Amino acid sequence: DAEITQSPRHKITETGRQVTLACHQTWNHNNMFWYRQDLGHGLRLIHYSYGVQDTNKGEVSDGYSVSRSNTEDLPLTLESAASSQTSVYFCASSEYGGLWGEQYFGPGTRLTVT
Amino acid sequence: EDQVTQSPEALRLQEGESSSLNCSYTVSGLRGLFWYRQDPGKGPEFLFTLYSAGEEKEKERLKATLTKKESFLHITAPKPEDSATYLCAVRGSGGGADGLTFGKGTHLIIQP
Repeated sequence: DAEITQSPRHKITETGRQVTLACHQTWNHNNMFWYRQDLGHGLRLIHYSYGVQDTNKGEVSDGYSVSRSNTEDLPLTLESAASSQTSVYFCASSEYGGLWGEQYFGPGTRLTVT
Repeated sequence: EDQVTQSPEALRLQEGESSSLNCSYTVSGLRGLFWYRQDPGKGPEFLFTLYSAGEEKEKERLKATLTKKESFLHITAPKPEDSATYLCAVRGSGGGADGLTFGKGTHLIIQP
């Protein structure tokens, strides 16, 4: 069955370190998204991609970057981790030209920055 | 800027006690309103998409409806396994970032 996976599931890092969160989907979807979820804020869009070599900034993109070298993967990089980036991160994907909102989410990565 | 407000924040019901969750939204050019279910420690799971006022979708004990300003998720005779956080999201056609705008969710607890 097609799925979307994230790794690691839990990560503890120190302030100032570079961190990369992996997202891999086997749906063969063109669209991929990264969200963060915090108490009191709900899910907020960080970055998104419509296909290979395409990346776009979302609502809360400062301090994050993504790259899309193939259809299956959209890694999220925190250039210099800050305590404010402690959160749960979700990756999602959807089919290009289809039901844009029918996004399929991964299980999430809980990141703690100390 | 798209906005989504969900109420109540939390709801505790007895098994079999029907109720409704509310999602109020403001969006420039609605291109879809979406309901998701999220269990603790997991990613959101897609439930419904609604595109136009008057539209309704059903799945087991859940029924979603849409008006021009809000959506309701009706839960009929709920069971304990319906306990979860229910998220509402919209996609508009305005400029700026793509993706979905989510509400903060309603945490639903069904007591046996």
